[in-house]
Amino acid sequence: DVKVTQSSRYLVKRTGEKVFLECVQDMDHENMFWYRQDPGLGLRLIYFSYDVKMKEKGDIPEGYSVSREKKERFSLILESASTNQTSMYLCASKVGQFGTEAFFGQGTRLTVV
Amino acid sequence: TQLLEQSPQFLSIQEGENLTVYCNSSSVFSSLQWYRQEPGEGPVLLVTVVTGGEVKKLKRLTFQFGDARKDSSLHITAAQPGDTGLYLCAGESGANSKLTFGKGITLSVRP
Repeated sequence: DVKVTQSSRYLVKRTGEKVFLECVQDMDHENMFWYRQDPGLGLRLIYFSYDVKMKEKGDIPEGYSVSREKKERFSLILESASTNQTSMYLCASKVGQFGTEAFFGQGTRLTVV
Repeated sequence: TQLLEQSPQFLSIQEGENLTVYCNSSSVFSSLQWYRQEPGEGPVLLVTVVTGGEVKKLKRLTFQFGDARKDSSLHITAAQPGDTGLYLCAGESGANSKLTFGKGITLSVRP
């Protein structure tokens, strides 16, 4: 059974903190993605990675960075958390070929206070 | 940025009715996918369409990819309360299979 696991379901952090969101997949997928989901805005792509140590900016990369040191793990880093980064964060992984299914984690609800 | 516009944004219908929703873009995509998301869960794939003009059926759901591979539609026949959810379309593009989503369509089917 395929699995994408996000390290936390709920997270509360203070403004200015450095925040790490972790995502692990057990399917040997090449591609991994980080999205944020806000009401009325759908899923917006922050960053994605197509191989170990390879990354590409999505549509809203400002204020975020990513790390992919191992194939199975993709980390999203908020360098200095701000209240406008309060959101639901979703990680996904898929095979690197076109037309293949993306599998999602259950999401991390991050609140920055 | 390649934008996917979904319409309508919200739809509330009675059980048994038919409906069609749309996903449009000015860009060409290598493939287009439809996902369904329920509250508290991640999106789950319904279908992938790859060839322009392609039509796929999944029980009461019919998906069509436009001839120019820029748009898609989802038709549901005899909607049921279990169809309630957020329907997202996603387009694949670029050499590295970047996956971009639309804003989604919130469907509510009343018993």
